[in-house]
Amino acid sequence: AQKVTQAQTEISVVEKEDVTLDCVYETRDTTYYLFWYKQPPSGELVFLIRRNSFDEQNEISGRYSWNFQKSTSSFNFTITASQVVDSAVYFCALSDFNTDKLIFGTGTRLQVFP
Amino acid sequence: GAVVSQHPSWVICKSGTSVKIECRSLDFQATTMFWYRQFPKQSLMLMATSNEGSKATYEQGVEKDKFLINHASLTLSTLTVTSAHPEDSSFYICSAGLAGGDEQFFGPGTRLTVL
Repeated sequence: AQKVTQAQTEISVVEKEDVTLDCVYETRDTTYYLFWYKQPPSGELVFLIRRNSFDEQNEISGRYSWNFQKSTSSFNFTITASQVVDSAVYFCALSDFNTDKLIFGTGTRLQVFP
Repeated sequence: GAVVSQHPSWVICKSGTSVKIECRSLDFQATTMFWYRQFPKQSLMLMATSNEGSKATYEQGVEKDKFLINHASLTLSTLTVTSAHPEDSSFYICSAGLAGGDEQFFGPGTRLTVL
């Protein structure tokens, strides 16, 4: 069965700290996609990244970076120099290759204090 | 980029009434639309997958007679919560995907409160 685990329920940091959000997934598919979404208090999901299972290169986008490791089935997300505006719930998700269904993790609530 | 809208953004209704939520893909044709439900402080749970012109596929535990889904065109899917009860109060989110695509584009969500 497919599953996404985000073990960290809540994380609190002070502005300018670096923070890493963990994501571990389970799938029997050899081809799949992994996603990260941000959900601010407004509720609208904000797409952050999509990574396919054949591309293990780490990615950096501004203060955001992602570390994809198939050996440990992890797709961790790091925010460098966090800001108050980063406060939100972050979801990691896995797509089913055959059905395009998204399986979401339980989310990590990040609070960044000034 | 691909834009998905939902209407209404929020709705309050009395117990026993039916509520219809619309999901539209504004600048692309979506062969598949997904409906999710999110309870407070919880994750998104897929309710059903909707393909244009065919019956929706419901996830286990989702009552198809209570949550009616219609996907009449490539740009519109509707979710009707029939005989709503307070336990149906939730945040309903739709997403739309392209044919053979792997990315879903999410709507802004509809917050339903049943009194």
